Amino acid sequence: NAGVMQNPRHLVRRRGQEARLRCSPMKGHSHVYWYRQLPEEGLKFMVYLQKENIIDESGMPKERFSAEFPKEGPSILRIQQVVRGDSAAYFCASSPIQGADEKLFFGSGTQLSVL
Amino acid sequence: GIQVEQSPPDLILQEGANSTLRCNFSDSVNNLQWFHQNPWGQLINLFYIPSGTKQNGRLSATTVATERYSLLYISSSQTTDSGVYFCAVERGMAAGNNRKLIWGLGTSLAVNP
Repeated sequence: NAGVMQNPRHLVRRRGQEARLRCSPMKGHSHVYWYRQLPEEGLKFMVYLQKENIIDESGMPKERFSAEFPKEGPSILRIQQVVRGDSAAYFCASSPIQGADEKLFFGSGTQLSVL
Repeated sequence: GIQVEQSPPDLILQEGANSTLRCNFSDSVNNLQWFHQNPWGQLINLFYIPSGTKQNGRLSATTVATERYSLLYISSSQTTDSGVYFCAVERGMAAGNNRKLIWGLGTSLAVNP
């Protein structure tokens, strides 16, 4: 049973380009969460998705950021027109069911560097 | 919002030593988890422990929800224990749903051979 898979592991973009980060949850998990970690800080919640639904996006910046979790395929976190302040580690986590007393399992993260 | 404070911020140990890491939180929580982030950045979930005590090998954790703190014990530390230990909580009184975990700043642990 593979864990949460994120790719790419490292992503380098120039200012103004688009960044697409992918996350495949653990098998049997239908809930996906995206978190961002700035240097020397803990993680910050961004968005919570179920298949084809955004449940809570209160942690997402209002502009340039979007997320989806289609019926088929991985969850995508998309950052348009990246700026240097977007440089961070982006982690995806999954869980099997809302409300269950389950641990949150994280992927290895995508380190985004904006030049 | 809820505040999560971890102490100490940094810790250096000799291999074989024991240590206690603390997490204080400012409000009632229904979800508390401890994570280890290794030097390569990978996050490993150590414990889901909103209350009570759990043990897993050389690690154990205790949460006293009424006093709003949790402790992570590492015994007989090894160099592979190095990394950052995070405490993360979710506010509320109902059963947890693993959503907006609020994270502390972590305790950075270095275990020297």
